Amino acid sequence: DAKTTQPNSMESNEEEPVHLPCNHSTISGTDYIHWYRQLPSQGPEYVIHGLTSNVNNRMASLAIAEDRKSSTLILHRATLRDAAVYYCILNSGGSNYKLTFGKGTLLTVNP
Amino acid sequence: EAEVAQSPRYKITEKSQAVAFWCDPISGHATLYWYRQILGQGPELLVQFQDESVVDDSQLPKDRFSAERLKGVDSTLKIQPAELGDSAMYLCASSSLRDTQYFGPGTRLTVL
Repeated sequence: DAKTTQPNSMESNEEEPVHLPCNHSTISGTDYIHWYRQLPSQGPEYVIHGLTSNVNNRMASLAIAEDRKSSTLILHRATLRDAAVYYCILNSGGSNYKLTFGKGTLLTVNP
Repeated sequence: EAEVAQSPRYKITEKSQAVAFWCDPISGHATLYWYRQILGQGPELLVQFQDESVVDDSQLPKDRFSAERLKGVDSTLKIQPAELGDSAMYLCASSSLRDTQYFGPGTRLTVL
């Protein structure tokens, strides 16, 4: 699977929007962009995924660059419960549907 | 809401002992994954099952680790003998075919 690059850490204030970037310059045409997050002492949880178009769900929005070499996870109003490690993962959706996690971005939300 | 169950949540053992972890996936999920997560790093896939068959165990240290899913439902991951470097969080996840993975709470293993 292609590699992603994320900042090690980011900080935000409660109730403000958060933009978490991810670079994936070697993405292939069949790679989906997935975001998972891991709250302290819990297993990872799915946040959102997309291929080419921007995506919205109840948790977040995913903005994908036109050349698909980068993407941004947007939390519209950060809460203290959003403090977590956020992982950006590429997956081609093949038969094994394997997720390769990097170190992710540790998001700190200040009250 | 259905969840992936794992037990135990915490396990402390001495090196050279055997340990086993259990996972019960979400009902109807044919695909089951075991991951290992070392502190400060992302999860690493150890083994993936499709029903009762192993489809990927390329990162499983087969000299000491074994995994089974005999009836294609729940699964057991075993380490024998445990080594100090095995201290980590062991996560189980399940999914429908080529769909979102749902993770359990994990088992925190400490090897003394």
